Amino acid sequence: DTGVSQDPRHKITKRGQNVTFRCDPISEHNRLYWYRQTLGQGPEFLTYFQNEAQLEKSRLLSDRFSAERPKGSFSTLEIQRTEQGDSAMYLCASSLASGGDTDTQYFGPGTRLTVL
Amino acid sequence: AQTVTQSQPEMSVQEAETVTLSCTYDTSESDYYLFWYKQPPSRQMILVIRQEAYKQQNATENRFSVNFQKAAKSFSLKISDSQLGDAAMYFCAYRGNKLVFGAGTILRVKS
Repeated sequence: DTGVSQDPRHKITKRGQNVTFRCDPISEHNRLYWYRQTLGQGPEFLTYFQNEAQLEKSRLLSDRFSAERPKGSFSTLEIQRTEQGDSAMYLCASSLASGGDTDTQYFGPGTRLTVL
Repeated sequence: AQTVTQSQPEMSVQEAETVTLSCTYDTSESDYYLFWYKQPPSRQMILVIRQEAYKQQNATENRFSVNFQKAAKSFSLKISDSQLGDAAMYFCAYRGNKLVFGAGTILRVKS
């Protein structure tokens, strides 16, 4: 068990550019979540998948944001036409959908996005 | 909508002493989970302890324990024998259909 991994760990981009982040969940976990965390605040829910199905999206997820989990394993989060307000830490977490440890989410190290 | 409130933006504790971090939440659901996560500076969010709402017994993990008061919707974290490595931001989180976090409490440990 290598834990949740995210790539890249840091991303600096210019306003208007597109960026894509990747998350690899814990291998047996079928639920995958994306959160956004701004400095000094708690994470805010963006979206989650069960296997390859995207089951819920927050209103925070504007139409510039899109997330995929095509084979039910890793996931990508893309932000198009980035804005300075998108600067934040993007966290990925995973969990089991059933079993003894259901509802406990394990977090990755995050991708810190800076939009100049 | 569920909300989680952490009323202490910062707390300090002397090494080896005990500290309690407060958390209250608001929900109309009867079945849910509560969590405390720890986030050291520039490091990964780590699960500290979890509590199922249907369990009356308070969860304990080594030096960490909770005081879960369901009727009062209160879920405090007690850290005993505080260590320098406990210094971090602590988040209380509620899970009904999704995970909702409080704003966090910064814990400083003095040597």
